Amino acid sequence: IAGITQAPTSQILAAGRRMTLRCTQDMRHNAMYWYRQDLGLGLRLIHYSNTAGTTGKGEVPDGYSVSRANTDDFPLTLASAVPSQTSVYFCASSSDSSYNEQFFGPGTRLTVL
Amino acid sequence: GQNIDQPTEMTATEGAIVQINCTYQTSGFNGLFWYQQHAGEAPTFLSYNVLDGLEEKGRFSSFLSRSKGYSYLLLKELQMKDSASYLCAGLDSNYQLIWGAGTKLIIKP
Repeated sequence: IAGITQAPTSQILAAGRRMTLRCTQDMRHNAMYWYRQDLGLGLRLIHYSNTAGTTGKGEVPDGYSVSRANTDDFPLTLASAVPSQTSVYFCASSSDSSYNEQFFGPGTRLTVL
Repeated sequence: GQNIDQPTEMTATEGAIVQINCTYQTSGFNGLFWYQQHAGEAPTFLSYNVLDGLEEKGRFSSFLSRSKGYSYLLLKELQMKDSASYLCAGLDSNYQLIWGAGTKLIIKP
């Protein structure tokens, strides 16, 4: 089934722990994105990748890192989680970085205690 | 700075029409998107406008005025399943989407 998947669905994490959120798409989209969504705020871009092998910083990149070793996968890593990183995280992809109709994964609900 | 403004919440009646407004300020402009997001789910694409005017797609229509930095989403013949948040997003000169906080639409029978 074509689409974009994320794992885990939800996670409770102790502060200071390292965590990687996984994102995989099978639509052969060039561009991929990581957002966080907090109540009362719009989606905020954390990192993006316009094509495999390249990444860029979004609006709120601090405390997060990404890699894009191939077209399909775009993992997001929290090196040392803090409570302010409690959020819902969405991965998205688009066929290219210019037109930008984005397709979203189901999200990961992360709680950092 | 870049900014997207839309009402926080709106209420409408089943079968009626509702218009959700959005004003935007972006660094450059490459289009305006509307997405629908049901509670606990991911956003899904509704419409894209890059030229002035109205784009109609079934019960949903989207309007853009570039000179006014203004867009609206029009929903006709409202159904209970239309209860959701509607997200407005502007595409800036770097082709990054700038998102509004969303309008929660409540449909009453």
